[in-house]
Amino acid sequence: QLQLRESGPGLVKPSETLSLTCTVSGDSITTNNHYWGWIRQPPGKGLEWIGSIYSGTTFYNPSLKSRVTIFVDTSKNQFSLRLSSVTAADTAVYFCARNLANCRGGPCYSRYFFGMDVWGQGTTVTVSS
Amino acid sequence: QSALTQPASVSGSPGQSITISCTGTSSDVGGYNYVSWYQQHPGKAPKLMIYDVSNRPSGVSNRFSGSKSGNTASLTISGLQAEDEADYYCSSYTSSSTLVIFGGGTELTVL
Repeated sequence: QLQLRESGPGLVKPSETLSLTCTVSGDSITTNNHYWGWIRQPPGKGLEWIGSIYSGTTFYNPSLKSRVTIFVDTSKNQFSLRLSSVTAADTAVYFCARNLANCRGGPCYSRYFFGMDVWGQGTTVTVSS
Repeated sequence: QSALTQPASVSGSPGQSITISCTGTSSDVGGYNYVSWYQQHPGKAPKLMIYDVSNRPSGVSNRFSGSKSGNTASLTISGLQAEDEADYYCSSYTSSSTLVIFGGGTELTVL
């Protein structure tokens, strides 16, 4: 059974870089050409898409694009998020997730805007000095 | 771009049906069939309930259904059960620079 698990510091100082890793277990991160993404949820608020990656192709929320980097390490079956110059507004629960793949009628393909069918449990990151 | 518009809360009694709306524009909900719905219980990760407007992932109860008319997508839950009490979020592709947008979320209360 596919599982995702986020890991990283729970506390980051303002102006520093937030770094999180999502470890994929139960299958290879390259199976079926899925996109893999990050979503966050500030305390008591709704969901915000941060960005998604497939192989070397990335798509980012333009509101965060200047500060965000998402990359994959296939050898470790992981993908990671870096968010620079953080402020208190970046305090949130950060989730990693997998985008669905369409496998009907030929080779599987995925898109960053397909529904997200497998999620990590989420990790809380607080930005504070 | 603003989030998709959802009612802040809806409620229903066990056994009843409820519908949650998700209103966008022709640049997102109205223009593409890439609307997804998520259920989120407190302190838990979201769970995909509907994708591509009306498709259910394997394992999701057929009490959950999705549809779209114009710029508004809808999630209907029939035969309400206590376990359905949760927050529900819609999401859509958008041709604007935002790329992917979520609704503000709807809190469902089962009376």
